Amino acid sequence: KAGVTQTPRYLIKTRGQQVTLSCSPISGHRSVSWYQQTPGQGLQFLFEYFSETQRNKGNFPGRFSGRQFSNSRSEMNVSTLELGDSALYLCASSFFGISYEQYFGPGTRLTVT
Amino acid sequence: AQSVAQPEDQVNVAEGNPLTVKCTYSVSGNPYLFWYVQYPNRGLQFLLKYITGDNLVKGSYGFEAEFNKSQTSFHLKKPSALVSDSALYFCAVSQRDKAGGGADGLTFGKGTHLIIQP
Repeated sequence: KAGVTQTPRYLIKTRGQQVTLSCSPISGHRSVSWYQQTPGQGLQFLFEYFSETQRNKGNFPGRFSGRQFSNSRSEMNVSTLELGDSALYLCASSFFGISYEQYFGPGTRLTVT
Repeated sequence: AQSVAQPEDQVNVAEGNPLTVKCTYSVSGNPYLFWYVQYPNRGLQFLLKYITGDNLVKGSYGFEAEFNKSQTSFHLKKPSALVSDSALYFCAVSQRDKAGGGADGLTFGKGTHLIIQP
């Protein structure tokens, strides 16, 4: 069974640009959640999508958005990038949701210059 | 708002000795509690969870955790540490009473580096 995949693995962007990250969950999983990991703030929950609907949202500005497609694949978009957005972005999938066992992808390392 | 505290940035244990990684939490209502482990270059992996029932939860790789409601704690334990247990450990909480895990999602602690010395 293939694991959670994230593309791209590494990304360098300039301040003010926007970026889209992609996540393909484990087959059959309907929940996809996104997390930001930084040395200073640790692991922070961004949002969760379940069957194409945003079910939970963390405390991030509106520049961070996401969506989920009918095949459960998810994308996360960050507009008007800031230096502080440099982080490892992790995607996780689960059959039932974030309150159950989640399987994490390897992450996308975003560097904003 | 919910929160998780892992009071130790690093825990050092000799191989073969028991280990404990501490976690306390704060949440409205009843909690779902988790431990995840992050190995270098291997991503984040699920270890165990507490939802309801027995306060002692057993998980992967011989780890267990004890839920203590009165102390709002969920400490991770293992009777005999292995060098291969060296990694970054995260405790996490979500609110049990709402569908999908609660309005605040899943909150992680800052993580504890566990170092097992041969």
